[in-house]
Amino acid sequence: SYELTQPPSVSVSPGQTARITCSGDALTKKYAYWYQQKSGQAPVLVIYEDSKRPSGIPERFSGSTSGTMATLTISGAQVEDEADYYCYSTDSSGNLFVFGTGTKVTVI
Amino acid sequence: EVQLVESGGGLVQPGGSLRLSCAASGFSFNNYWMSWVRQAPGKGLEWVANIKEDGSEKNYVDSVKGRLTISRDNAKKSLYLQMNSLRAEDTAIYYCARGRGAHDYWGQGTLVTVSS
Repeated sequence: SYELTQPPSVSVSPGQTARITCSGDALTKKYAYWYQQKSGQAPVLVIYEDSKRPSGIPERFSGSTSGTMATLTISGAQVEDEADYYCYSTDSSGNLFVFGTGTKVTVI
Repeated sequence: EVQLVESGGGLVQPGGSLRLSCAASGFSFNNYWMSWVRQAPGKGLEWVANIKEDGSEKNYVDSVKGRLTISRDNAKKSLYLQMNSLRAEDTAIYYCARGRGAHDYWGQGTLVTVSS
């Protein structure tokens, strides 16, 4: 089955830049989406279609892709950005979705 | 205001059945794909299934095929997940979410516990 691989954890100091990677073979052809999930809450969409930001999401969140890797960048991370982040995409068929393994972002 | 409210979770024995519901409001339900996503305790998110606007297309993660069935009633603005032959590994919070890839709205989730 298709898999999306993320680093388990990323640490960043307040005001610095955090980058979270997501690796998957089909990312060369399929969109990546990114979700933020804080403890005990439902996920929140922060990036869709590789690099688009939903309304209400701060500009410090950005997305990009290159080859088989998608990257979520938090520029000038804030304490409130501490959360688990998941990438999300489809397999090559476009019908079956999968979440990445998840990355815990710590802002300290 | 867009709202998604799940219900129907609870404790069920292995091999048992449960039907989850998701009541939608605040948007044109029949214009959107809808999805179910679950999260086992302390684990990551897992996409479970999705259904096209008119119900003509349904997709499932391999681990639930033949046991879980997604459906919708556009007149009632409701999404459903019929869960049969439940296993311990189905224990999770089940979220309904609007959309197919970009899930811009989520419910609060309903907990399903499969245990004897």
